[in-house]
Amino acid sequence: DVKVTQSSRYLVKRTGEKVFLECVQDMDHENMFWYRQDPGLGLRLIYFSYDVKMKEKGDIPEGYSVSREKKERFSLILESASTNQTSMYLCASKLEIQYYGYTFGSGTRLTVV
Amino acid sequence: GIQVEQSPPDLILQEGANSTLRCNFSDSVNNLQWFHQNPWGQLINLFYIPSGTKQNGRLSATTVATERYSLLYISSSQTTDSGVYFCAVPADRGSTLGRLYFGRGTQLTVWP
Repeated sequence: DVKVTQSSRYLVKRTGEKVFLECVQDMDHENMFWYRQDPGLGLRLIYFSYDVKMKEKGDIPEGYSVSREKKERFSLILESASTNQTSMYLCASKLEIQYYGYTFGSGTRLTVV
Repeated sequence: GIQVEQSPPDLILQEGANSTLRCNFSDSVNNLQWFHQNPWGQLINLFYIPSGTKQNGRLSATTVATERYSLLYISSSQTTDSGVYFCAVPADRGSTLGRLYFGRGTQLTVWP
């Protein structure tokens, strides 16, 4: 019963390419998040969204943008991929009214060559 | 932002052993969460524990908010406990927006 689905498990892209990472949730959650995970650094928030078409920058938004045209889908966009964006990307969602109840996707491991 | 420090960074155990993972945070928070990431990368929420103690099977967690730390106890560890354990605190106190600050994690390896 997968609830947060990330479109790709592994992705290899070339420097300069425009990259789309897709995340879909089926739990009618209002809040959605994109995190980046690097060894020894934990998870760092890139962007989050609390409603359709609403987005807020996280702690490391540089080089990224997002799109939320529908409640269930939150896309992360790398406008021009660079090697320092090689990382694990994790999508998560939760209900707006709760402090807890996060559901994470299984992650996309992106390699930029 | 709030600093979240976890210790130890790495922990290697024999199956059946007990362990304690620690999470310190630099400012007062109104909630704290523990997550487990399995070796395949899947993150699941273990505890939502603003204060006090909670237990779930062989795992328990205690948060002492006034002293800015939380502990995760794993008893009778099993190989399936392996993975990375993260604690996380909210970036926006009192808000349900949900931005979290994560610690760097404790990598736990349990050998049979």
